[in-house]
Order: sequence, then structure tokens, then C-alpha cells
Amino acid sequence: NAGVTQTPKFQVLKTGQSMTLQCAQDMNHNSMYWYRQDPGMGLRLIYYSASEGTTDKGEVPNGYNVSRLNKREFSLRLESAAPSQTSVYFCASSQRGGQRTDTQYFGPGTRLTVL
Amino acid sequence: GQSLEQPSEVTAVEGAIVQINCTYQTSGFYGLSWYQQHDGGAPTFLSYNALDGLEETGRFSSFLSRSDSYGYLLLQELQMKDSASYFCAVTTGGFKTIFGAGTRLFVKA
Repeated sequence: NAGVTQTPKFQVLKTGQSMTLQCAQDMNHNSMYWYRQDPGMGLRLIYYSASEGTTDKGEVPNGYNVSRLNKREFSLRLESAAPSQTSVYFCASSQRGGQRTDTQYFGPGTRLTVL
Repeated sequence: GQSLEQPSEVTAVEGAIVQINCTYQTSGFYGLSWYQQHDGGAPTFLSYNALDGLEETGRFSSFLSRSDSYGYLLLQELQMKDSASYFCAVTTGGFKTIFGAGTRLFVKA
């Protein structure tokens, strides 16, 4: 049981390049999330997927797109990377998001630098 | 706007007790969670309070007062491995969780 996995672990991009961050979970969870964490700050929600086939914007969605490919996989795409998107990106999943006692499980993160 | 306030740093001695406070101002409140994050690692869930009072899980306890928009995480019998960042987080409803900026705990021998 790997939990939540993310690829790649590290990535360096040049301004304007595009890339997709991959996330997969093997816990049969319904809900999945993408967060970014900047130095000295907490996590901020970029997008979430309540269930397979649905996605919604979080707190900081500008510059990103997502795809919930199936129940297991939730990808985050940067179409034209900017230095302001340099951050650590965490994917998370939960059994049934939106419930009062729902717990989120986080992946190991992707450290992205945009030059 | 929505905000969570917690101290940026706390230092304590091994074996001691430390309390990390969190005050929040959010539109909507389902519950208050606490997460631990070691340097370079992922956040891991510690505890959750939906109702007022104290929840205990081993060496860790968490308290919530909804009328005061306040909670705290209490760590007892501190160990060196407890050195990490601790985040409070409010689930505001739906699928959205707001995180505080984190408290960095240093445990000294």
C-alpha cells in the first residue's frame, strides 16, 4: 500500500515551459486535492476533485489546470510556467471530502523551480 | 478575509510539555485539524476537533473552543523527533481547508 505517490520529486523549468505533475493514490479515496506550499507559509489549495469526473477551483487556481483521469489519478498542469510558481506541490486524497471528519493524506511532494 | 494565526516558532526542552495555540477567523467552520511536517517531508494528520473540548491521542492532545475561535495542540513528554513544523487547519465546509502558516518546534536536549 503506497498511499499517495507523486512524480517527479524535483523539477526545474524555464519560464514559459509547460509540465504536468502526476499524482496517484491506492486507498480507493473519492476526493483528491492539489496544494502548493511556499516558504514560511501554510498549504494553499489550488484545485480539488470531489469525486471522479469532477474538479473545482480552490484558493489559488490561476495558471494551473487539472485532470481527474480516473479514481486513482489526479494531475496538475502548468501551461506556461512563471517564476511565481516556484513552490513545493503536494497532492492529497481523502475518503470522502466534504465530510466533517474527513482526513487528508498527503504525497511526498514535488519541488518545482521556475527560472 | 479568512485567517489562522499561530506562533512562528516555539522552543522547548526534551521531556517537557509545549502548547501551540491557533486562533482562526473563517467563514464557515466544520472543524480544526493539526498536521505535523518534518523538514522535506509531507504533512501528516495528528488530530481533529469538531466539538468543544479536549481530544487525546497518546502524547498529543488537541483542544477547541468554538465560541473563542481558538484551539491548541499540546505535546507532552517531548522527544527530539518531535522537532518539526505544526500546522493548524480549519475545514470551512465543502472541500476547502485553510491552513495556518505553521509553528516550527525546536526540541533541545
